[in-house]
Amino acid sequence: KAGVTQTPRYLIKTRGQQVTLSCSPISGHRSVSWYQQTPGQGLQFLFEYFSETQRNKGNFPGRFSGRQFSNSRSEMNVSTLELGDSALYLCASSFSGIPEAFFGQGTRLTVV
Amino acid sequence: SQQGEEDPQALSIQEGENATMNCSYKTSINNLQWYRQNSGRGLVHLILIRSNEREKHSGRLRVTLDTSKKSSSLLITASRAADTASYFCDINHLTFGTGTRLTIIP
Repeated sequence: KAGVTQTPRYLIKTRGQQVTLSCSPISGHRSVSWYQQTPGQGLQFLFEYFSETQRNKGNFPGRFSGRQFSNSRSEMNVSTLELGDSALYLCASSFSGIPEAFFGQGTRLTVV
Repeated sequence: SQQGEEDPQALSIQEGENATMNCSYKTSINNLQWYRQNSGRGLVHLILIRSNEREKHSGRLRVTLDTSKKSSSLLITASRAADTASYFCDINHLTFGTGTRLTIIP
């Protein structure tokens, strides 16, 4: 069974640009969560989607948004990029009612 | 805060020794999970312990849970170089602390 796939793996963007990251969950998983990981802040929760609905949202500015499609694939978008947005973005999927989550390898975003 | 806090932040031990790390939390929980993260990669689920359990084993891993003290510990026995990683506790579901960085010295 294929794992969680995040694309792209690496990305370099310029300040002010926007970026879209993609996450394909494990087949059958309807819950997808996103995290930002930086050396100083650890794992920060961005948002969680379930059946195309945002179920929870972390404390991030409105520049960070996401969505989930009917096939459970999810995207997150960051607009007007700032240097501080440089981070590893992780996506996790889980089966409804099962606490164990499966993570993708992440997308390393560098903003220059 | 609803997230767990791992302690210590960093730990270095010799290969073959046991490593113990702790997680404290403030809210009531249904379950607690431990995850491992190798450098710059995704997290891997290690073990889940439910609120009505006190101890659980998986291979070289032993997890304890003390709900009265709102704390959990993860013990890795007979450590190996491959255990070098960051370890996170997850309170209830997908709420992580800052992790313990474990380094195994060959």
